[in-house]
Amino acid sequence: SQQGEEDPQALSIQEGENATMNCSYKTSINNLQWYRQNSGRGLVHLILIRSNEREKHSGRLRVTLDTSKKSSSLLITASRAADTASYFCATDSMDSSYKLIFGSGTRLLVRP
Amino acid sequence: DGGITQSPKYLFRKEGQNVTLSCEQNLNHDAMYWYRQDPGQGLRLIYYSQIVNDFQKGDIAEGYSVSREKKESFPLTVTSAQKNPTAFYLCASRPGVYQPQHFGDGTRLSIL
Repeated sequence: SQQGEEDPQALSIQEGENATMNCSYKTSINNLQWYRQNSGRGLVHLILIRSNEREKHSGRLRVTLDTSKKSSSLLITASRAADTASYFCATDSMDSSYKLIFGSGTRLLVRP
Repeated sequence: DGGITQSPKYLFRKEGQNVTLSCEQNLNHDAMYWYRQDPGQGLRLIYYSQIVNDFQKGDIAEGYSVSREKKESFPLTVTSAQKNPTAFYLCASRPGVYQPQHFGDGTRLSIL
């Protein structure tokens, strides 16, 4: 079953604008991860935020985590056409099950 | 370079035929995973293995089988019992619990 729900399902922005994607989940987690998938390719890990962290940065990426609301957001600043891809959140539950639960993804289109 | 290799990139299955998708990793990771992705959808877990000679069913294991005889290899067989096998199949590995997953570039399976 899919735990993560992402919002919006699709997002279209102009190059240079910021893109924000949201993820909600249902159970207690150890960490939340964000992945990127270019069309027809595998997923690439972007950033991992642990349950005791509230914000994390990596280059133009900023991730926030609110465990009280069971939600996370991914902000991509100063977007580029090359950022066009699908973005997925994934949660690692506290039960050490080795399973990641993926959300349904946000399809981002950055127009040149 | 270390990574995950999936082959073939494209595969066609005839009625009543079993087909096997290959996944090999040289990352020395203990855990390996198989996911199914349908168009415009997220990832659904088929099977996963935490260690050699052991594997567990995921959410959609019916019609699929796996083996884990070597740490490096985790082949997936799509059996004739899987009536709707057309999808994009992704293999992944991770070094341990609560770590990011690394993905191969997928195999696209279609019905002839």
